[in-house]
Amino acid sequence: ILNVEQSPQSLHVQEGDSTNFTCSFPSSNFYALHWYRWETAKSPEALFVMTLNGDEKKKGRISATLNTKEGYSYLYIKGSQPEDSATYLCAPEKAAGNKLTFGGGTRVLVKP
Amino acid sequence: GAVVSQHPSWVICKSGTSVKIECRSLDFQATTMFWYRQFPKQSLMLMATSNEGSKATYEQGVEKDKFLINHASLTLSTLTVTSAHPEDSSFYICSASVQGRQRLYGYTFGSGTRLTVV
Repeated sequence: ILNVEQSPQSLHVQEGDSTNFTCSFPSSNFYALHWYRWETAKSPEALFVMTLNGDEKKKGRISATLNTKEGYSYLYIKGSQPEDSATYLCAPEKAAGNKLTFGGGTRVLVKP
Repeated sequence: GAVVSQHPSWVICKSGTSVKIECRSLDFQATTMFWYRQFPKQSLMLMATSNEGSKATYEQGVEKDKFLINHASLTLSTLTVTSAHPEDSSFYICSASVQGRQRLYGYTFGSGTRLTVV
């Protein structure tokens, strides 16, 4: 069983502020790292799939970086908006088409 | 985009009865379906992986006779919780992939089913 840690578990952000949080995972047998955004009463939505060490991906105001050698990824939200309020999940994938192991998530609440 | 429809979104059943949860891929063929369970304040835990037309592969500690998975077509997978008990009360959610797409687009999730066994 992979040990996937996300920190912090939750955070409150003032609208307009930027924030970031961490996903830590075992660096051995790494294939890919997935990030999902999960809004209440909706389906988890794929944000990024990252595979290369040093990779950086961006989607609007959200971006992520990946360090496969030390086993961590950061997700950044720039200029947070209320619609960014969600739980953000990370999940490493050990082999192509293989199962994901999810972290506990970081719950983000953006206050107007 | 790819959509997975999951039903029911919530269900309450009596102890000892069986409950079926369906996941349908609406606009793509799901070669692989994953079934997860989430208990309060815990992360999504994989229960089993199913490929169309073959038997599901269950994770350690998951009873295959209790959680029956059927993936008879490329667009439909079902999870049946047999002889449900209160400890089976949980949130169940499926995800699907098409061969080769997951690296580009990730996996597509259903909206989940909240099961309460009374």
